[in-house]
Amino acid sequence: DGGITQSPKYLFRKEGQNVTLSCEQNLNHDAMYWYRQDPGQGLRLIYYSQIVNDFQKGDIAEGYSVSREKKESFPLTVTSAQKNPTAFYLCASSITGVNQPQHFGDGTRLSIL
Amino acid sequence: DAKTTQPPSMDCAEGRAANLPCNHSTISGNEYVYWYRQIHSQGPQYIIHGLKNNETNEMASLIITEDRKSSTLILPHATLRDTAVYYCIVRVADSSNTGKLIFGQGTTLQVKP
Repeated sequence: DGGITQSPKYLFRKEGQNVTLSCEQNLNHDAMYWYRQDPGQGLRLIYYSQIVNDFQKGDIAEGYSVSREKKESFPLTVTSAQKNPTAFYLCASSITGVNQPQHFGDGTRLSIL
Repeated sequence: DAKTTQPPSMDCAEGRAANLPCNHSTISGNEYVYWYRQIHSQGPQYIIHGLKNNETNEMASLIITEDRKSSTLILPHATLRDTAVYYCIVRVADSSNTGKLIFGQGTTLQVKP
């Protein structure tokens, strides 16, 4: 089955630690996205990539970093500079184009120890 | 950005049609209407999208008014598994071609036996 796989499902971070969230897709989509969702709120865009080796900051990129070395993979690193990292992180992918639907993974829930 | 307005909650009897309304009175001519739903602790699931014509797929139907200021998502035979938060989104067609999705508060649909 084609889809988007995020791992791990739950992740805990210690103070001062960087953690990396994995996102893999086998849909052959060029575009990939990372969103953050806080309780009772909508999604906010962190980073997006429309092609391999290129990515752009979204609305809340501070404290996060990404890479796009392969079409299938778009890992997100939550750095120690992100002071409020506790959230539900969602990865999405789509065919390139403004009006192509994005398809989401099942998310990673990050908490601080 | 075009804003959307949805009722915060709705109930529907199992087996009946669920009609979820959305107002988007400031929508621009080239902006599509998207519907997603999110079951607790899962990623959003794409349902359907359209520009000005009514659309139907295996999950739902989308009815867009002629002036495009409102739309209705129809789940023809609701089941208990359709209980979720439903989001109506007008896709941002910004100059950066981000294609980002802006999720509002959505409508919590409760399907009852």
